[in-house]
Amino acid sequence: EPEVTQTPSHQVTQMGQEVILRCVPISNHLYFYWYRQILGQKVEFLVSFYNNEISEKSEIFDDQFSVERPDGSNFTLKIRSTKLEDSAMYFCASMWGQLSRPGANVLTFGAGSRLTVL
Amino acid sequence: RKEVEQDPGPFNVPEGATVAFNCTYSNSASQSFFWYRQDCRKEPKLLMSVYSSGNEDGRFTAQLNRASQYISLLIRDSKLSDSATYLCVVNGNTGFQKLVFGTGTRLLVSP
Repeated sequence: EPEVTQTPSHQVTQMGQEVILRCVPISNHLYFYWYRQILGQKVEFLVSFYNNEISEKSEIFDDQFSVERPDGSNFTLKIRSTKLEDSAMYFCASMWGQLSRPGANVLTFGAGSRLTVL
Repeated sequence: RKEVEQDPGPFNVPEGATVAFNCTYSNSASQSFFWYRQDCRKEPKLLMSVYSSGNEDGRFTAQLNRASQYISLLIRDSKLSDSATYLCVVNGNTGFQKLVFGTGTRLLVSP
């Protein structure tokens, strides 16, 4: 079964450092997402990406965050200067088609990258 | 009003029990509805999509009430392996390609 892969599985960093989280979405998928989940809290939307540009972003996704799809397979989330409150599990997800299309709208998540900021 | 609201639980039920979870959503224009399951410290996984007419997948039945903006999930004959957090998911207020998650309802099935 195709899967979304994320690296690293766990990263520990010092406050103020830059972090890049990497994702390889399912190969024929067109929509890409980053979500995060702070321990004990709900899964929160960060950003969606389609056709090589951001299609939507949340209030959380401020200037410290950026996303890139540098080649045909990778999708990265960069946090420029990490804060303590950025500690969370970051999930990458991908989807083949639009949400309104039954069968095409299955959002598949990677196993997550746990970020710990000290 | 929160975009997606769920009772956090936990729901403690014995094996074999029937349990129902409810969810309300705020955006009357939402068109896509899902139940996801999340095991502890794992990624969310799609359990089932929710269709207007209601749908069933084995022991799981999902219902949608658009007028009340209400979604339900019924689990029959609970198994120990059903223990998890069940997430109600709806496409968002501001972007129809964005999925918004509820806080989840935790289910504990005991022997």
